[in-house]
Amino acid sequence: SQQGEEDPQALSIQEGENATMNCSYKTSINNLQWYRQNSGRGLVHLILIRSNEREKHSGRLRVTLDTSKKSSSLLITASRAADTASYFCAPGGNRDDKIIFGKGTRLHILP
Amino acid sequence: KAGVTQTPRYLIKTRGQQVTLSCSPISGHRSVSWYQQTPGQGLQFLFEYFSETQRNKGNFPGRFSGRQFSNSRSEMNVSTLELGDSALYLCASKGGNTNTGELFFGEGSRLTVL
Repeated sequence: SQQGEEDPQALSIQEGENATMNCSYKTSINNLQWYRQNSGRGLVHLILIRSNEREKHSGRLRVTLDTSKKSSSLLITASRAADTASYFCAPGGNRDDKIIFGKGTRLHILP
Repeated sequence: KAGVTQTPRYLIKTRGQQVTLSCSPISGHRSVSWYQQTPGQGLQFLFEYFSETQRNKGNFPGRFSGRQFSNSRSEMNVSTLELGDSALYLCASKGGNTNTGELFFGEGSRLTVL
């Protein structure tokens, strides 16, 4: 198991703009997941990208994975106030491995 | 399908007391993980139970313990509470037919220690 490191720690953008956050990890993975957490709530799974995939889309979300650089990015297009939350990446090994989270990226969408 | 249910949602205890938190996973899920979230330390892994056995463990003192029942419901216990144990405790279940390890979280139990 390994912890991902999200960057930046905090991000403020205007509503309607795109938000990009990055995740770096240290050792090889089978997949990488992204989660969102609204203040004081439980985390919600957003998207999973497997190690043999380079890009994946889900609605306004686009995730890329570069295994050679051991990094992933999450792009949220046309941001909305409801996107204000913390975002966490979780590099995954085997299915039975524990999932460890980093500090996350705090995204604030300005009206 | 009902989601992950955590009880109680909020509780206040005093130093030295003990507390038990409960987590009911999604039906059919056999894995339950527990996390502690504080502003200073972030989201930290406590332990994971699978089929009534502790499968993974984080780096917490022995005051933190857990168990899982045959119906996959899990409890975690914190004894001799300290002020620093004030946190949001999250549980998450995992299972089903996927092989991805996706976690489904409950809404958490917010513990305040006075």
